[in-house]
Amino acid sequence: NAGVTQTPKFRVLKTGQSMTLLCAQDMNHEYMYWYRQDPGMGLRLIHYSVGEGTTAKGEVPDGYNVSRLKKQNFLLGLESAAPSQTSVYFCATTTSGAFRYFGPGTRLTVT
Amino acid sequence: AQSVTQLDSQVPVFEEAPVELRCNYSSSVSVYLFWYVQYPNQGLQLLLKYLSGSTLVKGINGFEAEFNKSQTSFHLRKPSVHISDTAEYFCATPGAFQKLVFGTGTRLLVSP
Repeated sequence: NAGVTQTPKFRVLKTGQSMTLLCAQDMNHEYMYWYRQDPGMGLRLIHYSVGEGTTAKGEVPDGYNVSRLKKQNFLLGLESAAPSQTSVYFCATTTSGAFRYFGPGTRLTVT
Repeated sequence: AQSVTQLDSQVPVFEEAPVELRCNYSSSVSVYLFWYVQYPNQGLQLLLKYLSGSTLVKGINGFEAEFNKSQTSFHLRKPSVHISDTAEYFCATPGAFQKLVFGTGTRLLVSP
């Protein structure tokens, strides 16, 4: 039981490059979320999913796309990276109520 | 929409002193509240949660928080801090579709 894993852990991109971050969970949770963390701003929700095949925009969705083709995976894509997307990205999952499980984070730098 | 406010961006304190980190929430019919801790270069760890019942909630590492409905607050306290408590602390509350809404965080700096 690995919980929530994120791939990759670190990445450096050049402006305009694209990449995909993978969040995988083995707990059969319905809800999955992508957050970004920036100094002084806490964690802000980018996109989320309430089940396989569904996605929805969060607080800061611009510049990102997501997909949830399989229940256990939630992909976050950057089609054309910008320096403003330099951040630490966290994935989280829950089924209901109080317990949420966070991944270890992905540190992305866009130069 | 549910929201939480952390007014203190940074709280410096000496080791073994008491500390209080403040969190205020927007009023709603039902309130769930959480405190998370993030140690340097690590992910988030749940410290404690309030769902219902007793207004004094005890968490891990000697932390506790008190739910105060009249003041719409959920302040985090520890009677005696250690150097190892140096971290960033986030207050959070769930919104629609179980989305967690976070405060901007409070950095606790414990010095000897």
